[in-house]
Amino acid sequence: AQTVTQSQPEMSVQEAETVTLSCTYDTSESDYYLFWYKQPPSRQMILVIRQEAYKQQNATENRFSVNFQKAAKSFSLKISDSQLGDAAMYFCAYRSPADDKIIFGKGTRLHILP
Amino acid sequence: DSGVTQTPKHLITATGQRVTLRCSPRSGDLSVYWYQQSLDQGLQFLIQYYNGEERAKGNILERFSAQQFPDLHSELNLSSLELGDSALYFCASSVEPVPNSPLHFGNGTRLTVT
Repeated sequence: AQTVTQSQPEMSVQEAETVTLSCTYDTSESDYYLFWYKQPPSRQMILVIRQEAYKQQNATENRFSVNFQKAAKSFSLKISDSQLGDAAMYFCAYRSPADDKIIFGKGTRLHILP
Repeated sequence: DSGVTQTPKHLITATGQRVTLRCSPRSGDLSVYWYQQSLDQGLQFLIQYYNGEERAKGNILERFSAQQFPDLHSELNLSSLELGDSALYFCASSVEPVPNSPLHFGNGTRLTVT
């Protein structure tokens, strides 16, 4: 069974600085999809970025980018120019095309320091 | 607004009782997923339906059941409730079981069992 591990329960970053959130996963599949979701205090789940495993190019969405290392099974999220509105729980997620399950990590709570 | 509607927003009930949580997916979405998020925990996948049929099952207790109706709305039934069932229950939908199709989450139903 696939697993997703986020080893950093909490992180803090100064406003305008850059922060990287870690995510590793375990799978025997060669084709899969990875996502980062953000959960602000409102508790709504918001998609931040997604990556297809067959694509070597790292996904980028404005200030958010990923470092996808397929061999290492690592999928980290980099947030550049951190803003107060980035404060939230961030969840890494793995989606299997085989059984369509979407597995989430336990999350990293990100604090932005003014 | 994700387009996914969950009702009710809050539910308070006693141990041993039964409740029904309702979800209306985004217009055009055929897949519905249910997740449980306990306090400060990640999202636990419960079950997925696609166009009325069960497609994937996670760690769903036997006391819990779900279904998706012909109009594509879904209901999650929780019975013989225990204190530990207190959690935020999310419904999410996607266009179809396309792996890179992101999940669109509702705002959740907060269940408190007393």
